[in-house]
Amino acid sequence: KNEVEQSPQNLTAQEGEFITINCSYSVGISALHWLQQHPGGGIVSLFMLSSGKKKHGRLIATINIQEKHSSLHITASHPRDSAVYICAVNAGNNRKLIWGLGTSLAVNP
Amino acid sequence: DAGITQSPRHKVTETGTPVTLRCHQTENHRYMYWYRQDPGHGLRLIHYSYGVKDTDKGEVSDGYSVSRSKTEDFLLTLESATSSQTSVYFCAISGTGETQYFGPGTRLLVL
Repeated sequence: KNEVEQSPQNLTAQEGEFITINCSYSVGISALHWLQQHPGGGIVSLFMLSSGKKKHGRLIATINIQEKHSSLHITASHPRDSAVYICAVNAGNNRKLIWGLGTSLAVNP
Repeated sequence: DAGITQSPRHKVTETGTPVTLRCHQTENHRYMYWYRQDPGHGLRLIHYSYGVKDTDKGEVSDGYSVSRSKTEDFLLTLESATSSQTSVYFCAISGTGETQYFGPGTRLLVL
């Protein structure tokens, strides 16, 4: 079992829908990251969280340290949000990240 | 965008040949990483560096070596490429914070 699990693996939505992607982890962490990767493209960091909630535009990330769970929400989804969303955590004192396998999101017009 | 470039961006090579991938940064960040990305595996750390001449192995380091003689450059070498090393390779950097910034990736095909 991976130390970082994401759900769902694949997600299809209609434009305008509210989307939630989940990340659960089984280790103690200092920070959790959400990243985005467009098809054939590079990887971009969206958020780094250690507690609470962060918002950037239509993206909201939350984390519950006690439950070892984080969610990434996308409001008013758009086809340009179609991408793979990846969760990763910092565990321990080094800079290595433990990676989830990603959630592939397709938003249809 | 963080100033990270990777070269080459695409490479086709033959089994048994040596290959070197270069990561170059203009951010003066201390930490640099090499990952490979394969379907079904997500990102896997090959090697990382925490300073000039300071490197350490990641989870999939067999068959790979690295060198960092300058802050801005981190080289990944496949001493004798194998077909199992066909992958997309990403370099990343981080500074005082824990956020990692990624390069555009190198697609390597080993025939």
